[in-house]
Parts: sequence; C-alpha cells; structure tokens
Amino acid sequence: SQQGEEDPQALSIQEGENATMNCSYKTSINNLQWYRQNSGRGLVHLILIRSNEREKHSGRLRVTLDTSKKSSSLLITASRAADTASYFCATGGIQGAQKLVFGQGTRLTINP
Amino acid sequence: DAGITQSPRHKVTETGTPVTLRCHQTENHRYMYWYRQDPGHGLRLIHYSYGVKDTDKGEVSDGYSVSRSKTEDFLLTLESATSSQTSVYFCAISAGGEFYPVETQYFGPGTRLLVL
Repeated sequence: SQQGEEDPQALSIQEGENATMNCSYKTSINNLQWYRQNSGRGLVHLILIRSNEREKHSGRLRVTLDTSKKSSSLLITASRAADTASYFCATGGIQGAQKLVFGQGTRLTINP
Repeated sequence: DAGITQSPRHKVTETGTPVTLRCHQTENHRYMYWYRQDPGHGLRLIHYSYGVKDTDKGEVSDGYSVSRSKTEDFLLTLESATSSQTSVYFCAISAGGEFYPVETQYFGPGTRLLVL
C-alpha cells in the first residue's frame, strides 16, 4: 500500500510565484525524500530530510518535516517554467536496503 | 547523471511471452531496484538487490523474477507477460559506502512495456 499521499494532485501557478506541495505518511520513517520527474523521464533526487530534522534548504527548495503529524512539505520559491514536472515524496524505512515507498505525486505546471 | 542504462527502452510483446528487462550501472553501487510506474499508483517497488545474488521481493513482486550475477547488471523477467504488466519500468541504484548517502536513489530513464 502507498505510504505517502501528496496534496494537491495537481497545481498550476504563474511563473515567479511560490509552489507548495504536501506529503502525508502513515508509519514511522528514517527519512523522507523528494524527487522530480519531467515528462517521460526518470526521477531525479531533489532533497532528503532525516527524521530528526525539521527543515532543510537547497537552493530554491525548502522542505519541512513534522514527524508528530507525519507530514512534509516542499516549497519551491520564485518558480520558473523549467520547474514544470511531477514531484514525488518517498519515505525510507528499513536501514541498509533502503526501500522507498513513493506517493502518487503532484503535477506542477508553471505558466509563463 | 548516474551511469544507469536500461534496455530495451521500448518493447511491445504479446500476452504469454517471456520478457527480460536489463538495468546496467557503471557506478559500482551495491543496491539496485526495479519499480513500475502506473497512473494513479506512483512508483511501486517490484524487487531489489543488496548484492550479487542477493535479492528480495518488493510490494508488487507477483509475476516477476530478478537476477543479479554481476554488480553492474540487474535483470527483471516477466516469465509470462500479462496485460496488467503493461507499465513503465524504472531501475534505480543507491550506494552503500561510507562516503555516500545510502538513502538517495538514482534512476534510469525507464522502459515502456506494452503487453497486447
């Protein structure tokens, strides 16, 4: 069964605006990751946040993690047309093999 | 980009025929994974490997088998393809060394499989 549930399923904003996507999960995790997928391509790792971290930044990306609410958010600031893609959260549990469980994704469209 | 290739990139086959998909990496990473991606389901783990000849099942392993005889190659076999196995298949790798974050996975470009 799916662990992560993304919200919203689709988001359309104007270039320059900020985009926020949310992810909720059900069980305890060791880390939570966000990936981007451009149409017809493989997934690209964006950022990883560990269960003992609350916030992490990478360029225009900001990720928060609230383990008490079992939720995470991804904020993309000053969006660009090139940010148009699907974004997936993935939760990591088991050590070593690091099996990830992916959500269904948020389809983000940046309008010029 | 991580050195991961998948072959074939596209395949059309008929129900009941065997199909083998190949994932090849040049990174010498310990862990390799096979996922399938379907609309409304995100990515689901089929099988994974934690070393040569060491494999285990994922969430949706029924109808699939895997083999890993070399570090660089991870094969996914559909013994008798069914229409429900029409999907996009992704291979991923992750490192297991002390200098790399084990958790991050790097994905191949995918294989589109259509079973008629």
